Amino acid sequence: NAGVTQTPKFQVLKTGQSMTLQCAQDMNHEYMSWYRQDPGMGLRLIHYSVGAGITDQGEVPNGYNVSRSTTEDFPLRLLSAAPSQTSVYFCASSSNRDGYTFGSGTRLTVV
Amino acid sequence: RKEVEQDPGPFNVPEGATVAFNCTYSNSASQSFFWYRQDCRKEPKLLMSVYSSGNEDGRFTAQLNRASQYISLLIRDSKLSDSATYLCVVTRGSTLGRLYFGRGTQLTVWP
Repeated sequence: NAGVTQTPKFQVLKTGQSMTLQCAQDMNHEYMSWYRQDPGMGLRLIHYSVGAGITDQGEVPNGYNVSRSTTEDFPLRLLSAAPSQTSVYFCASSSNRDGYTFGSGTRLTVV
Repeated sequence: RKEVEQDPGPFNVPEGATVAFNCTYSNSASQSFFWYRQDCRKEPKLLMSVYSSGNEDGRFTAQLNRASQYISLLIRDSKLSDSATYLCVVTRGSTLGRLYFGRGTQLTVWP
């Protein structure tokens, strides 16, 4: 049981490039979310999904797209990377009231 | 006003001490409450859920006061391994889709 798997763990992008952060969970969880964590800002919700085919925006959705075609996968797409998107990105999933399980994170630097 | 406000810390306590963290939330419709622990450069991990009746897990006790919109975490007999950042987390309404995180309170336990 791998839990929540995020890839890549580290990434450096040039301004304007696009990329997809991958997230997969093998726990059959309905809920999945993407957060970014910046120093002094705490974790902020980017997008979330309450089931396959259903997504919604969080606090800081601009510059990011998501889709949820399967229960297992919830990729996050950066459309045109900007230095302001330099951050640590966490994917998380949950099935019930007992909180979320987080992936180990992706450290993204945009230069 | 932020959804979740926490004591900024840092807290520096000796081994064996009792330490308490406080958290307030702004949305009276919030239904689920959690404390997470995050070690440096790691993903957040669920420490415990917080129930209206209060709950205890070993040395950790969590309390919820819905009238005051206040959550607390008490750690008794602190260990060196308790050193981490503690995150207060609430949902918006009844859905687990949207979690809101406090900025965290840093705890250092010294020998």
